[in-house]
Amino acid sequence: DVKVTQSSRYLVKRTGEKVFLECVQDMDHENMFWYRQDPGLGLRLIYFSYDVKMKEKGDIPEGYSVSREKKERFSLILESASTNQTSMYLCASSSPADRNSPLHFGNGTRLTVT
Amino acid sequence: SQQGEEDPQALSIQEGENATMNCSYKTSINNLQWYRQNSGRGLVHLILIRSNEREKHSGRLRVTLDTSKKSSSLLITASRAADTASYFCATLTPSNYKLTFGKGTLLTVNP
Repeated sequence: DVKVTQSSRYLVKRTGEKVFLECVQDMDHENMFWYRQDPGLGLRLIYFSYDVKMKEKGDIPEGYSVSREKKERFSLILESASTNQTSMYLCASSSPADRNSPLHFGNGTRLTVT
Repeated sequence: SQQGEEDPQALSIQEGENATMNCSYKTSINNLQWYRQNSGRGLVHLILIRSNEREKHSGRLRVTLDTSKKSSSLLITASRAADTASYFCATLTPSNYKLTFGKGTLLTVNP
């Protein structure tokens, strides 16, 4: 089974801090994604990557950046955390071999910015 | 931008009953997928139906797709308390190959 591991389940940070959310997958997937999930808004795509050192903006990239130095690891960076970035963050991966392959999700990181 | 919208937003049924959730979308798709999310956890893929398919089964799950109406339904038969979760539809569009999720249906199955 594919395993997608997010480094923290819960995280509390202060406004203005630089925050790193880490995600590692063990199935050699090329595609990796970061979503945020908020009540009433569903899942929204922040950034995604189809290959090492490659990144593309999703629907809500403002205030975020990403890093993909190794194939298995995709990091989400909040350069200067703000309270409106309090949310559940979900990482996912998939294989591009078939455009119809599903996403495999981690268990999420619930980030609170105070 | 939201592509898929689930209906109803919440559904409460008794164990053993069937649960039906609907999803409508706006633009053409390559496929439509259904995911389940238990409280506070990540999403788990349930079933995928391609744009040229009309119906698909997997265990107690039945998914239909009507591309003329831009809608899909997920039927869970003989529901169990363990089926209590949020269910999301997601669509893959041919233009950008990004998967876009709806806001979900919260299903509660009462024992």
